[in-house]
Amino acid sequence: GENVEQHPSTLSVQEGDSAVIKCTYSDSASNYFPWYKQELGKRPQLIIDIRSNVGEKKDQRIAVTLNKTAKHFSLHITETQPEDSAVYFCAASILGGSQGNLIFGKGTKLSVKP
Amino acid sequence: NAGVTQTPKFQVLKTGQSMTLQCAQDMNHEYMSWYRQDPGMGLRLIHYSVGAGITDQGEVPNGYNVSRSTTEDFPLRLLSAAPSQTSVYFCASRPAGGTQYFGPGTRLTVL
Repeated sequence: GENVEQHPSTLSVQEGDSAVIKCTYSDSASNYFPWYKQELGKRPQLIIDIRSNVGEKKDQRIAVTLNKTAKHFSLHITETQPEDSAVYFCAASILGGSQGNLIFGKGTKLSVKP
Repeated sequence: NAGVTQTPKFQVLKTGQSMTLQCAQDMNHEYMSWYRQDPGMGLRLIHYSVGAGITDQGEVPNGYNVSRSTTEDFPLRLLSAAPSQTSVYFCASRPAGGTQYFGPGTRLTVL
């Protein structure tokens, strides 16, 4: 089955700096890669996703890149703000198949220092 | 739409007790799943369903049962609670090919 590795497990940056979180996946059939943000005591919420027919996707200060050959994808946050502090999870899935379950990485705790 | 709802929000059980965590969604989503979240372990898939009457095991299914008699509901049953099942449980749903939404979670403590 699918296995997703996520690094780093913790990341501390100064406000205004960029943050990068990286994930690798094992199943070459995976074609959908979402990123979730989870604030303390709350549910995970989708912040951005990418499908395998696209190499990069941006939404304001957030971008995701995908390298299908190397089977890795990354989350980039520019101009970080204190409200970006949270735990971020990457996931991989096969959309359109009989399962389509999201398999998650173990998470990255991002701290943005004012 | 209420989205994905879960009850209860908090629960304390004694070892050996059984209980059912409730999950419902009003978005007519085909896929529903249960995850548990433990510190440093991320979100691990317990069981999932691709439609009414169809369920299957995820990564960590032992000690849990599920059923899916309707599109809307996907309860998770703990057969005989153990301290190792202390965790936060999230239910999630999504349409085929679409975004997955999570419920607010149930924080379970087993003494």
